[in-house]
Amino acid sequence: GAVVSQHPSWVICKSGTSVKIECRSLDFQATTMFWYRQFPKQSLMLMATSNEGSKATYEQGVEKDKFLINHASLTLSTLTVTSAHPEDSSFYICSARRIGFTEAFFGQGTRLTVV
Amino acid sequence: DAKTTQPPSMDCAEGRAANLPCNHSTISGNEYVYWYRQIHSQGPQYIIHGLKNNETNEMASLIITEDRKSSTLILPHATLRDTAVYYCIVSERGGSNYKLTFGKGTLLTVNP
Repeated sequence: GAVVSQHPSWVICKSGTSVKIECRSLDFQATTMFWYRQFPKQSLMLMATSNEGSKATYEQGVEKDKFLINHASLTLSTLTVTSAHPEDSSFYICSARRIGFTEAFFGQGTRLTVV
Repeated sequence: DAKTTQPPSMDCAEGRAANLPCNHSTISGNEYVYWYRQIHSQGPQYIIHGLKNNETNEMASLIITEDRKSSTLILPHATLRDTAVYYCIVSERGGSNYKLTFGKGTLLTVNP
């Protein structure tokens, strides 16, 4: 149990286009989902916290108009990178916290390359 | 900023116990200690968490000192597949203060 799936696992897009990444909790309901970004040889950086049915809370320095987060249901959150540029190339990882439990579970990550 | 301090790297022989230390001297009374690991190019994997009592599950044991200022993750019989970056994180259990902030972690290398 407690499986979190991201789609796609990797994506290549052209500069200026938008990319949507999905995060699904497959076997549990998650009131809260989190989005992270990880650059090579660095640790995970929390971008935003997403609560079902409400607006996401972004960490300081993260542009909310560039990284659009939608958490429409208890099992799905999406991250859209708008007008992507090469510097947005990174490993994006989501996690979901199961209702009533204290630990969060992570997806396998999405490798975004902007060319 | 991460509230924990971990050694940047450790080595362990295959089959031996791996003991990974973590210092969290500023931990507050309602904060839990969580351990995750990340194998290269994958999402982090949950290992174990605890508040003040020692915990054990099928993956590892967590030993928390009585003053809760430090803890040790124990992998009882390390295998090559345990080579990963291990992260020790402290966070409140719930509400808006629940936030898993990752530090640099410890790169554990299990050698044959």
